[in-house]
Amino acid sequence: SQELEQSPQSLIVQEGKNLTINCTSSKTLYGLYWYKQKYGEGLIFLMMLQKGGEEKSHEKITAKLDEKKQQSSLHITASQPSHAGIYLCGAEYLQGAQKLVFGQGTRLTINP
Amino acid sequence: DAGVTQSPTHLIKTRGQHVTLRCSPISGHKSVSWYQQVLGQGPQFIFQYYEKEERGRGNFPDRFSARQFPNYSSELNVNALLLGDSALYLCASSLASGHRNTEAFFGQGTRLTVV
Repeated sequence: SQELEQSPQSLIVQEGKNLTINCTSSKTLYGLYWYKQKYGEGLIFLMMLQKGGEEKSHEKITAKLDEKKQQSSLHITASQPSHAGIYLCGAEYLQGAQKLVFGQGTRLTINP
Repeated sequence: DAGVTQSPTHLIKTRGQHVTLRCSPISGHKSVSWYQQVLGQGPQFIFQYYEKEERGRGNFPDRFSARQFPNYSSELNVNALLLGDSALYLCASSLASGHRNTEAFFGQGTRLTVV
């Protein structure tokens, strides 16, 4: 969807390195979800952000929603092989709508 | 606790046939949404149901329909299958009070192949 752009589309990093994935919306977000997907499988919920400036962390993954609520970043510290997969951001533009607009995904490869 | 469960996991159908996909939400969740994910793309919203009523519909033809049962499980039906309907169909459930956003959790998906 052109409403939501992810960058980069693919990323190859060496194990142990840090990395950042960005998600930019063409309009103000009500909520922003991050998911991880293994090839051909379901989506694993990572984090949900709603407030401008909000930041959440889980293990080595941190996600932020900027103050203007039009961009989010996902940062992985000291990457591990288990972090490999496709990362998807999903935008919610209406309160309570539960209709997510997804980016095209970022394919992350971790090299040993 | 059981997560969102979908059945079947894989399905092969012939063009022109119809298909029914099933989803059981997490216990206590009243909202179910369906998404289609074509290879290499992000999921696209098809339907949302809350308390057995349709609350949202994406840009899909009338060949696609869905319903939600009293136990909050849901079915997605696709008629007159086309090759382009081949995709991973994902179901998501959430508490979805209707007044605030809550986390949406996805099932493993049903891989539909139309030949």
